This record gives sequence, C-alpha cells and structure tokens, in this order.
Amino acid sequence: AQSVTQLDSQVPVFEEAPVELRCNYSSSVSVYLFWYVQYPNQGLQLLLKYLSGSTLVKGINGFEAEFNKSQTSFHLRKPSVHISDTAEYFCAVSDQGAQKLVFGQGTRLTINP
Amino acid sequence: NAGVMQNPRHLVRRRGQEARLRCSPMKGHSHVYWYRQLPEEGLKFMVYLQKENIIDESGMPKERFSAEFPKEGPSILRIQQVVRGDSAAYFCASSDTGLGNQPQHFGDGTRLSIL
Repeated sequence: AQSVTQLDSQVPVFEEAPVELRCNYSSSVSVYLFWYVQYPNQGLQLLLKYLSGSTLVKGINGFEAEFNKSQTSFHLRKPSVHISDTAEYFCAVSDQGAQKLVFGQGTRLTINP
Repeated sequence: NAGVMQNPRHLVRRRGQEARLRCSPMKGHSHVYWYRQLPEEGLKFMVYLQKENIIDESGMPKERFSAEFPKEGPSILRIQQVVRGDSAAYFCASSDTGLGNQPQHFGDGTRLSIL
C-alpha cells in the first residue's frame, strides 16, 4: 500500500529565512504528488502538484517543490518565508488510476519574527 | 460561494447518538471524497462516491459508518451510535473528473465532538 512520510512534524524558522519541508513516498509506480496547506480551523488548500514533465514545479505563495524519482521524494521549498506562512503542510500522493489521496502526517511550520 | 460547502462546521453528540455530516461539492463536480483527520494526524481516506454510486469505500469502518451521494442534494456521511473515538475533523473534497491527476478541492470540515 502507498504511504507518505513527512520527516519533520514541526519546523520553526525565522521570518525571511528559507525553508524546506521534506516528503518521501513509498510507491515505485507512477504517481501524482501534491502539497496542501491547512490554516487553523480551515480545510486544505492546494499549493502545487506534480503530474509529469519538469521535475521542478512552482505553486502559489512563492512555494516550489522538486520531484526526485530515484529518491522517491517531493520536498517543498520557499526561499523566504513570511509570518502568514504559519500553517500545517501536507504532502499527498495518488497512484495513477486511483482517485484517493494518501496523506503524510503533516508538518507544522512556525514562523518567528 | 462556489467552493465545497460542509455543514455543520461543529457538531456535538453524546455517545450512542447519530451524527449526520453534509457536503455540497463545487459546482459542476460529481465526484466526492470523505476524509477523517484525527488530532495531530494527517487525513485518512474514507470513501469515494460519484452521483448515486459508492466507488471506493476501502477506508470506511465496517460498522456504524455509511455514506451516500443522492442524485439530488448533498453527500451525507452518517455515523450511528457514536463513540468517543469518532471525535475528529471530517473533510469532504470534490473533483470534476475523478481522475488521479485532478486536484481535489476541500471544504472547511466538520469538527465532531463526542461527549
């Protein structure tokens, strides 16, 4: 069965510093990869997705992620974070041909002034 | 608001009661997914429905839980005889094609508390 591991449960960073949130998935078959952000008491909002093609994908709010097939990773990065980026971030994967998303445990990003 | 609408936002039930959670998908979407988020955990898939059909219920508990998506009206997740362990946030998502490469759009969730 497909699984997703987010290696850090919490990541504290200072404002304007760069950040990387790590995500690894288990499947060796072709997959689609997603990053979602969840603000307190809200649903999930799509940040970006990898379907095929270029391994570097750009999303909203200045975030980007790189798909690495050999390492089965899809790490999320932002070169300079803002206070407003404080939220929970979820990596998710779906197998081609399957509709359901498998989520990681989430990474809580805290931005300190 | 053309987004995914869930209601109620908060629901309190006593042990043994029934909980009904509603989800109206985005306009034009006919594929609905339900996920459960336990405290401090990620979302876990429960069920995938298309109008009037359950497509995948592999994540649904075998007892007390059921889901429907009628031809008219919202999708309903029903939990009978609730227990404390059912306390969680329940999220609904929708998509237009049901294909894995189409992003799912999420509602704000229903937070279920069992007394």
